[in-house]
Amino acid sequence: EVQLVESGGGLVQPGGSLRLSCAASGFTFSSYWMSWVRQAPGKGLEWVANIKQDGSEKYYVDSVKGRFTISRDNAKNSMYVQMNSLRAEDTAVYYCARVGQQLAAGRNPLDYWGQGTLVTVSS
Amino acid sequence: DIQMTQSPSSLSASVGDRVTITCRASQSISSSLNWYQQTPGKAPKVLIYAASSLQSGVPSRFSGSGSGTDFTLTISSLQPEDFATYYCQQSYSFPITFGQGTRLEIK
Repeated sequence: EVQLVESGGGLVQPGGSLRLSCAASGFTFSSYWMSWVRQAPGKGLEWVANIKQDGSEKYYVDSVKGRFTISRDNAKNSMYVQMNSLRAEDTAVYYCARVGQQLAAGRNPLDYWGQGTLVTVSS
Repeated sequence: DIQMTQSPSSLSASVGDRVTITCRASQSISSSLNWYQQTPGKAPKVLIYAASSLQSGVPSRFSGSGSGTDFTLTISSLQPEDFATYYCQQSYSFPITFGQGTRLEIK
């Protein structure tokens, strides 16, 4: 059974830092692109970042570029996001998601999601 | 960036109704369009990928169509568990973008 479990959320002051983790199990983690997606309280979904299987390609939404860094450790079946210079508008539930392989040509959906971890940026 | 616009933003319907939700992309995305369902307090779940392919395990009352810029999600006969928020998402290019969501409520 595919499982994704996020951890590391919490309350942080504006300008502070936080590192989220995503522990994966039930599939060959090193074979999949992975994503972070966030959802502010009462709002819609916002894609944050993607990372390729070997970590050689990373993509970010503009609003987090230069502040967030996505990474992974395939030996530990884990993905991370280091969040620096946090702002109130970063307050959200952060989901870890797997990019599926339904289509050989790519452009796949996010086919498994974790339960999310809440990050609150407030003084 | 590709903007995704869903309509309507909210919708009231009854069990057994046929419901259609529309998603429009600001530029052509071929068929790189996915649909998700989210219930309160839960993570999203993919229903349809590549505009019209049903994700494994998803009931056949869900269907998708469209290509280019205009897409639809149809639920043929609403069930009680279908009352949720639905999002479209383009996977054509980075940054990946979602529609603003359509909240489906019980009439």
